[in-house]
Amino acid sequence: DTEVTQTPKHLVMGMTNKKSLKCEQHMGHRAMYWYKQKAKKPPELMFVYSYEKLSINESVPSRFSPECPNSSLLNLHLHALQPEDSALYLCASSQVGRGPATNEKLFFGSGTQLSVL
Amino acid sequence: AQTVTQSQPEMSVQEAETVTLSCTYDTSESDYYLFWYKQPPSRQMILVIRQEAYKQQNATENRFSVNFQKAAKSFSLKISDSQLGDAAMYFCAYDSWGKLQFGAGTQVVVTP
Repeated sequence: DTEVTQTPKHLVMGMTNKKSLKCEQHMGHRAMYWYKQKAKKPPELMFVYSYEKLSINESVPSRFSPECPNSSLLNLHLHALQPEDSALYLCASSQVGRGPATNEKLFFGSGTQLSVL
Repeated sequence: AQTVTQSQPEMSVQEAETVTLSCTYDTSESDYYLFWYKQPPSRQMILVIRQEAYKQQNATENRFSVNFQKAAKSFSLKISDSQLGDAAMYFCAYDSWGKLQFGAGTQVVVTP
């Protein structure tokens, strides 16, 4: 199984809603990532988890709250989002790298297209 | 900070022809990895090819090959014998300390 599965594929939410994005992998990877991608732009790193611990937070607003309950699962909890948060949210996983050049291939999910009204 | 630059917003190629996508990057590190990712309309990010900076030999994966010039900090992708399924956005990416930084992307259009 070389898949990263993301649910839901599409999500529409109001600015007062609370919702969660889910990401799952069964490749034994111990690094998991959240990226945000606006239309016609490259993905931007949001969070990195390594061995279920948050290792990188790219100064993401607190209305985005990541959670890694176990080595296979990564969630992104959303609360009080703004319309400008509408984007494709990509999850990825990899083996944990060592040193300055991790060289590990990232496996990406197909993303959740989020629309905030 | 590292930066990745793709100066070609769009490239058009006919089926069976060859197209080259350019990428330059800026870094002060000596050990790093470079990648080309493909993102078709499905928006799934797919790894095309990977290059290790300490290796002189250019990476090759079937019809995809790179021209890696470390001193010039250049990392171009050549797609040979282009197929309709190659149509996608292509991102050059630089990896350092677990953070993958992408260029702006080049849209490849394949015409029959």
